Amino acid sequence: IVLTQSPGNLSVSPGETVTLSCRASQSVSSLDIAWYQQRPGQAPKILMYDTSVRPTGIPDKFDGSGSGTDFTLTISRLEPEDFAVYFCQHYGDSVTFGGGTKVEVK
Amino acid sequence: VQLVESGGGVVQPGRSLRLSCATSGFTFTNYALHWVRQAPGKGLEWVAFISYDGEKKYYADSVKGRFTISRDISRNTVSLQMNTLTPEDTATYYCAREGCSSATCRAELSPVDFWGQGTLVTVSS
Repeated sequence: IVLTQSPGNLSVSPGETVTLSCRASQSVSSLDIAWYQQRPGQAPKILMYDTSVRPTGIPDKFDGSGSGTDFTLTISRLEPEDFAVYFCQHYGDSVTFGGGTKVEVK
Repeated sequence: VQLVESGGGVVQPGRSLRLSCATSGFTFTNYALHWVRQAPGKGLEWVAFISYDGEKKYYADSVKGRFTISRDISRNTVSLQMNTLTPEDTATYYCAREGCSSATCRAELSPVDFWGQGTLVTVSS
């Protein structure tokens, strides 16, 4: 499975909403997609698993959706700490990461 | 939950290096663990997996036959033995714990919830 994330970079203003895309090279189970956030100099942090399930402590401004080959992560009301790189991941029977989307301040 | 990697450094091409990840704060024998790496300025690349009981081990094609993952239940540690290193192996290596236990995981490979801070491996002559 190859995961292609788009766009590679996104310039947005605080307070805006962004939608990040993750496309799989073949259909995958919606139970096998996760999203991670990585801030500069830090390890990744899980935001979403099973496409749309938020771990404890992740605010509902993060919303995951999708099925088949197309998955999205929507981030509402962007705050300074949300400007980071976001990776999608496929798991289940193999593990791969997408190339990442960098969300930066406009 | 804590995961602390060690063992990184500068190594010449063709040489070996062993990374360790000391874990604490959870029942070590209940959780599977992964190694994930990140080349400077690049994205995440999954490297290896070891099941909660050490019975199952999986590797990325890029490291298969060169890297070996293992776990030591006496020291609650997971290790990555890296042989025949090349400059393409230069990266920060993270160990990470799966977010579900042996009793709750739905799939063989699951997302990770805790990560170490990473250890940098530089392969250069």
